[in-house]
Amino acid sequence: QVQLQESGPGLVKPSQTLSLTCTVSGGSISSGSYYWSWIRQPAGKGLEWIGRIYTSGSTNYNPSLKSRVTISVDTSKNQFSLKLSSVTAADTAVYYCARVEQQLEYFDYWGQGTLVTVSS
Amino acid sequence: SYELTQPPSVSVSPGQTARITCSGDALPKQYAYWYQQKPGQAPVLVIYKDSERPSGIPERFSGSSSGTTVTLTISGVQAEDEADYYCQSADSSGTYEVFGGGTKLTVL
Repeated sequence: QVQLQESGPGLVKPSQTLSLTCTVSGGSISSGSYYWSWIRQPAGKGLEWIGRIYTSGSTNYNPSLKSRVTISVDTSKNQFSLKLSSVTAADTAVYYCARVEQQLEYFDYWGQGTLVTVSS
Repeated sequence: SYELTQPPSVSVSPGQTARITCSGDALPKQYAYWYQQKPGQAPVLVIYKDSERPSGIPERFSGSSSGTTVTLTISGVQAEDEADYYCQSADSSGTYEVFGGGTKLTVL
């Protein structure tokens, strides 16, 4: 059974960089059948897609966040990561990592989510 | 940037049929997906590729598409179906994903 687990600081200061890691267990992140995404959800609000990374290293980002986002993958650790720079209070949210099966194109496995608060 | 539009809320009585719409200009080109989210939980897929139902999802959940609008239909709504529902799709070129704003389904 595939499991995804987010990890990283729960509190980030304004203007700093938010860094999160998603550890994948029960399957290889290197499988070409999948790609890996980050999604966030502010409290009481809707889901926002942040971006995705393919096992080739190719990425796509939400146009509204593109200038501040970097997603990378570390196949040796079976992890992928999110960096979001110059954060403000508007970036406070639950951050989810998720897997997409390329043929079916839906988010089939999600992490439990991790709350990141931006505050001084 | 591209947007998907959903009604903020839908209310139905138990046993009735709930319909949740999602509108977007690229929906004739791109498949839509529907997720159910209950408080404190990650979303769960209930419909993929407009109208396909994953294994384990009750038959009362169905999806349809017409032009720039897709619809999630829940027939014979049960109390356990009370949740937030999100549609998801891609822009016309498939470069990025988008979620609708979400619809809160209330079972009266």
